[in-house]
Amino acid sequence: QLVESGGGLVQPGGSLRLSCAASGVTFRGFEMNWVRQAPGKGLEWLSYVTSSGTTKNYADSLKDRFTISRDNAKMSLHLQMNSLRVEDTAVYYCVAGGITHFDVWGQGTMVTVSS
Amino acid sequence: FILTQPHSVSESPGKTVTISCTRSSGRIATNYVQWYQQRPGSSPAAVIYEDNRRPSGVPDRFSGSIDGSSNSASLTISGLRAEDEADYYCQSYDSSSHVVFGGGTKLTVL
Repeated sequence: QLVESGGGLVQPGGSLRLSCAASGVTFRGFEMNWVRQAPGKGLEWLSYVTSSGTTKNYADSLKDRFTISRDNAKMSLHLQMNSLRVEDTAVYYCVAGGITHFDVWGQGTMVTVSS
Repeated sequence: FILTQPHSVSESPGKTVTISCTRSSGRIATNYVQWYQQRPGSSPAAVIYEDNRRPSGVPDRFSGSIDGSSNSASLTISGLRAEDEADYYCQSYDSSSHVVFGGGTKLTVL
């Protein structure tokens, strides 16, 4: 099970740190991702990190504003989001699995960027 | 590249429906294609991975295929049930391991 937290209302230009707590899975064995979904829109992949945390990948659209990290000892995944824009408003999902199989999805956390 | 799906499809219960996913550039067979189901108010869940493999618990009414001639992937659902009504997304990735999702298809079971 994956449970996201840290979402909420933030002003444009602000920062937010999302977290994802894993339970009931061998967290350290999973590659992890963040995927978001704007209201009424489709899915957008944001970032990926290998099981060890040594390799990370990001969508080009993020332009270095977001940083993914993980703590295998604490079975947690994080997404640091800076310079937030109105268009970053979305539900953010934590997802376990590689790019050929997004196996386990969290319930999502809502991020609203608005003044 | 982009993955193009029909915006919506509809079919009656018990029938078979196919949802297409066309890759704009590069060969569809180069990278695996996955399919995700998202019921209203729920998180997505995989129904097909690696072109045609079903995750545990997904009924064999769901199947996936690849067609090189049309450069597209397809998700076929047979014996349609009301519970199949959902949004369906295809997904693949590029040579840099950047993930791409299709725009999604809304399936209505009439």
